[in-house]
Amino acid sequence: GAGVSQSPRYKVTKRGQDVALRCDPISGHVSLYWYRQALGQGPEFLTYFNYEAQQDKSGLPNDRFSAERPEGSISTLTIQRTEQRDSAMYRCASSARYAGGLQETQYFGPGTRLLVL
Amino acid sequence: AQSVSQHNHHVILSEAASLELGCNYSYGGTVNLFWYVQYPGQHLQLLLKYFSGDPLVKGIKGFEAEFIKSKFSFNLRKPSVQWSDTAEYFCAVHSGGGADGLTFGKGTHLIIQP
Repeated sequence: GAGVSQSPRYKVTKRGQDVALRCDPISGHVSLYWYRQALGQGPEFLTYFNYEAQQDKSGLPNDRFSAERPEGSISTLTIQRTEQRDSAMYRCASSARYAGGLQETQYFGPGTRLLVL
Repeated sequence: AQSVSQHNHHVILSEAASLELGCNYSYGGTVNLFWYVQYPGQHLQLLLKYFSGDPLVKGIKGFEAEFIKSKFSFNLRKPSVQWSDTAEYFCAVHSGGGADGLTFGKGTHLIIQP
């Protein structure tokens, strides 16, 4: 089937505005991950879900960041009161296996490039 | 916390040259290891992975990587590069056991000159 999709692909917003980034995983994939990638860096883990349950949000930078996956499929990453330092590429990945163990392969979407002015 | 080091941030080679990109990780337990590639304008794609067994793994497009546990390394190799290999390459580690996401290196930007 189709790969992981993300929308929007690009988002420009003004400081202080809220943004919502969407991820649609590969059909049937159990786990879903969010990463953030600053310029010149590798992706950095934010949070992940098994089905609709958020398992680990230790990577979220602060309480302005939240994520949900209410029906165990599409996920939304929300950033409230955006700041310029939030500008980055936000990547989503999904995996067929129940996350938390090894031997799991994550497949990435195209990412959403966020620019906060 | 575990970390991943990619020693070369920018590499420039001519076509047909041999390639080796270094990757070292810090975690001492059981790990899964990955190389991902991002071609210009495209998303991150899996190049190859190591879970267990033969430490020499082969991936797509003629790439291979060798897991050397004693050196905490997972270097990526290709005997003869092509212009189309121009991309950014990321090494990543998954250790499980509570570290649920992948830990990535900073990436190596590879430019192949025709």
